[in-house]
Amino acid sequence: GESVGLHLPTLSVQEGDNSIINCAYSNSASDYFIWYKQESGKGPQFIIDIRSNMDKRQGQRVTVLLNKTVKHLSLQIAATQPGDSAVYFCAESATNKLIFGTGTLLAVQP
Amino acid sequence: GEEVAQTPKHLVRGEGQKAKLYCAPIKGHSYVFWYQQVLKNEFKFLISFQNENVFDETGMPKERFSAKCLPNSPCSLEIQATKLEDSAVYFCASSLGGKYEQFFGPGTRLTVL
Repeated sequence: GESVGLHLPTLSVQEGDNSIINCAYSNSASDYFIWYKQESGKGPQFIIDIRSNMDKRQGQRVTVLLNKTVKHLSLQIAATQPGDSAVYFCAESATNKLIFGTGTLLAVQP
Repeated sequence: GEEVAQTPKHLVRGEGQKAKLYCAPIKGHSYVFWYQQVLKNEFKFLISFQNENVFDETGMPKERFSAKCLPNSPCSLEIQATKLEDSAVYFCASSLGGKYEQFFGPGTRLTVL
């Protein structure tokens, strides 16, 4: 039956601090990676993506790091704000479908 | 449009009833994807289209699920004879190309009683 109270990995940070959310991916053939933010009751919202020919990509307040050797992806959010509170998902792609990782709940404390 | 549109927002069906969900991709996007999200966490890929052609249907439970993307019509995902385990949020996404950013719609929450 359905679980009551889903327990997501949670990262709790103070407003203004930097956040780092980590993700391990499984398919060494994946060559496209993407981070999404999902707020309650909404669809995933694109944050940043990276292709396998890069190790790092920066956006506005966000940086994605890709380590292909250990199949690890991270999302860094600078100066975290209350509006950043959400569930964050990484996803990988080897063909064109996305394979999502387990989400991480980011809780920003004022 | 400039956003992926999904209808209805909520759908309630009795076990064994049919459910049909609709998706209008962003204009100019040639790829459409359907994902199922269970328990607010796990996303499962169902099917993708390149224009009106099925591109990848490896995630579809073929016995009861079907999908179409016909020209000049919203894409649709249909579940025949729904089961309790089909209760989930179904997301549609569209993209310009095969490995480009996928833009997601707001989802359709299906509840099977």
